[in-house]
Amino acid sequence: EAGVAQSPRYKIIEKRQSVAFWCNPISGHATLYWYQQILGQGPKLLIQFQNNGVVDDSQLPKDRFSAERLKGVDSTLKIQPAKLEDSAVYLCASSLEGRGANVLTFGAGSRLTVL
Amino acid sequence: GDSVTQMEGPVTLSEEAFLTINCTYTATGYPSLFWYVQYPGEGLQLLLKATKADDKGSNKGFEATYRKETTSFHLEKGSVQVSDSAVYFCALHTQGAQKLVFGQGTRLTINP
Repeated sequence: EAGVAQSPRYKIIEKRQSVAFWCNPISGHATLYWYQQILGQGPKLLIQFQNNGVVDDSQLPKDRFSAERLKGVDSTLKIQPAKLEDSAVYLCASSLEGRGANVLTFGAGSRLTVL
Repeated sequence: GDSVTQMEGPVTLSEEAFLTINCTYTATGYPSLFWYVQYPGEGLQLLLKATKADDKGSNKGFEATYRKETTSFHLEKGSVQVSDSAVYFCALHTQGAQKLVFGQGTRLTINP
C-alpha cells in the first residue's frame, strides 16, 4: 500500500514569510495528524483530524498556524508569519478508525528552516 | 498530563553488544505503549508495541515488556548491528486522549 505522502521535503524561508505543507494520508485512514519535531526533541502533536473535523488542536499556535482537511482526505498546514523557532520537521501521520487507531503511519516529513 | 521519559542519549555501543534503552511513562487509564525508530534520512517507523500489562512486543530482534507495576517499557536487543544505528522513540497512546505522546528520543550509534 502507498504510504503517507508529504511535500515539500525541504523549505527555507525568511522570518515573517509564509509557508504551506501538504499531506496525503493512506487511503481509507480516517484520522490524520500533524506533528512538529524540533531538532533533538520528540514529535509534538499540533493538530488531529477525524475525517474533516478537528479532534484536538490544543497545542496549535493559532495566531500563526492553521490547518485544514478538505473532504476528509488531503490536508494542508500553513504557517504565517513564520518565526525562527518554527524551524523543525513537520510530520504528517494517519491511522485507521476503531481497532488499529493507535498505530500511526508517518510520512517522511517536511523540513522547514526559518532564517 | 500523559508523558514519556527516555534515557538520555547519545548511546554508543560496539557491534554485538547488548542494548537497553530505558523508558518510563505517566498516564491516566491504561495506555498502549510503542517504540518507533527513525533511521537517518527516513520517517518514523513503528518498531514494536504492547497494548496491555505484561504483553511483550518484539520485532527485528528487539523486545520490550509492558510493566504496569514500574510504569516502564524498556527496549532491549541481545546483539546490536551497525544497521541499528538510529533514533529510538518511546511513545504512549491513551484511549481517552486519542493521541500519541512521544518521549524525547535516544540516538543510538553502533560502531563496527
